[in-house]
Amino acid sequence: QQPVQSPQAVILREGEDAVINCSSSKALYSVHWYRQKHGEAPVFLMILLKGGEQKGHEKISASFNEKKQQSSLYLTASQLSYSGTYFCGTRTNSGAGSYQLTFGKGTKLSVIP
Amino acid sequence: DTAVSQTPKYLVTQMGNDKSIKCEQNLGHDTMYWYKQDSKKFLKIMFSYNNKELIINETVPNRFSPKSPDKAHLNLHINSLELGDSAVYFCASSPLAGGVETQYFGPGTRLLVL
Repeated sequence: QQPVQSPQAVILREGEDAVINCSSSKALYSVHWYRQKHGEAPVFLMILLKGGEQKGHEKISASFNEKKQQSSLYLTASQLSYSGTYFCGTRTNSGAGSYQLTFGKGTKLSVIP
Repeated sequence: DTAVSQTPKYLVTQMGNDKSIKCEQNLGHDTMYWYKQDSKKFLKIMFSYNNKELIINETVPNRFSPKSPDKAHLNLHINSLELGDSAVYFCASSPLAGGVETQYFGPGTRLLVL
């Protein structure tokens, strides 16, 4: 089951903040965040596994809510290098030890001077 | 040293042909994946292998057949190529299976079927 990402696109001026959300109707086992620049491969940002978890990487951080159905990616004081498409990837359990790995449709972030 | 490499980088071919894409990782990871990214940038997992064993096999046409000769290699063979197969195919690897560890992506193979 594909997670829902919002917004689909956002334009920021350098120094502004943004939040990207990733939601699921089912509890998630894990959430990954990736950034993909045009013509390049997705690059891992961070992974969250526990409800209520928050993680940070310089000015980019993420949270996973207690119910494990929503994760948010926070980009603060954005830089031009933050431009790209951000994807959340999720694992949901299907029962009997099996699971699914799916990605959201992506959020295109453009940072302008 | 490239962590996850794919060949070829670009592949242009005619409908009906058979082609292969190769992937190698030198990270010592146990798990490898194939993803398809279509023109709308939607990223979808196709297959996953853990220690040469198929563990994820999503609903893809059986014209697509993965092969893992050893845990450092995962190749993708596509028979009877169709226009809709045009996409970027990414190989990835992770230390363990289960979606609980970082996935490292290769540079992608851009396939265009004419």
